Amino acid sequence: AQTVTQSQPEMSVQEAETVTLSCTYDTSESDYYLFWYKQPPSRQMILVIRQEAYKQQNATENRFSVNFQKAAKSFSLKISDSQLGDAAMYFCAFLASGAGSYQLTFGKGTKLSVIP
Amino acid sequence: AAGVIQSPRHLIKEKRETATLKCYPIPRHDTVYWYQQGPGQDPQFLISFYEKMQSDKGSIPDRFSAQQFSDYHSELNMSSLELGDSALYFCASRMGQGLAKNIQYFGAGTRLSVL
Repeated sequence: AQTVTQSQPEMSVQEAETVTLSCTYDTSESDYYLFWYKQPPSRQMILVIRQEAYKQQNATENRFSVNFQKAAKSFSLKISDSQLGDAAMYFCAFLASGAGSYQLTFGKGTKLSVIP
Repeated sequence: AAGVIQSPRHLIKEKRETATLKCYPIPRHDTVYWYQQGPGQDPQFLISFYEKMQSDKGSIPDRFSAQQFSDYHSELNMSSLELGDSALYFCASRMGQGLAKNIQYFGAGTRLSVL
């Protein structure tokens, strides 16, 4: 079984500044994917970024990037030039891709506030 | 682009009633997942289907059942509803093959309130 831990229940950032959300995971799987999902007040689950475990290069998507440390089982999300629309709950999620149904295991989430 | 469609968006039921939630996956997606997100909680996996067959089962109560139909849409049937079933129910779909096979796309969710 996999576990995903987000140790920061809440974070805040000034508009235009940079913030990093932490995530650690525990697994015995060798083949897996990691994701960050954003859940704004509308409660829609929106995929922000994904990382394949076999890739050493950190994923980036515009202002969003990850710091993937496989040995440390750490997967943090960096948001640069924060915008008011980034305010949301952010969930880190794990998916084992070796076998099975590819279900997602989520962390408890980090609520990000953006201060104008 | 077409997204995952869930209906209804909101549902209010009394205790011990039944409810049916529907999910229409993205076209050509053959796998459907159901997740339950309680108030202030993270989403929890309930059940999944691949090519109309149940592929995995999570923390789904025996009072709940689900199926995937020939057109790939799925329905989650909930009976003997309890107050604790009040939650946001997400459906997600993915394509079983190809480069994007590990990406699940979520619907907007169905908010179920049990009174």
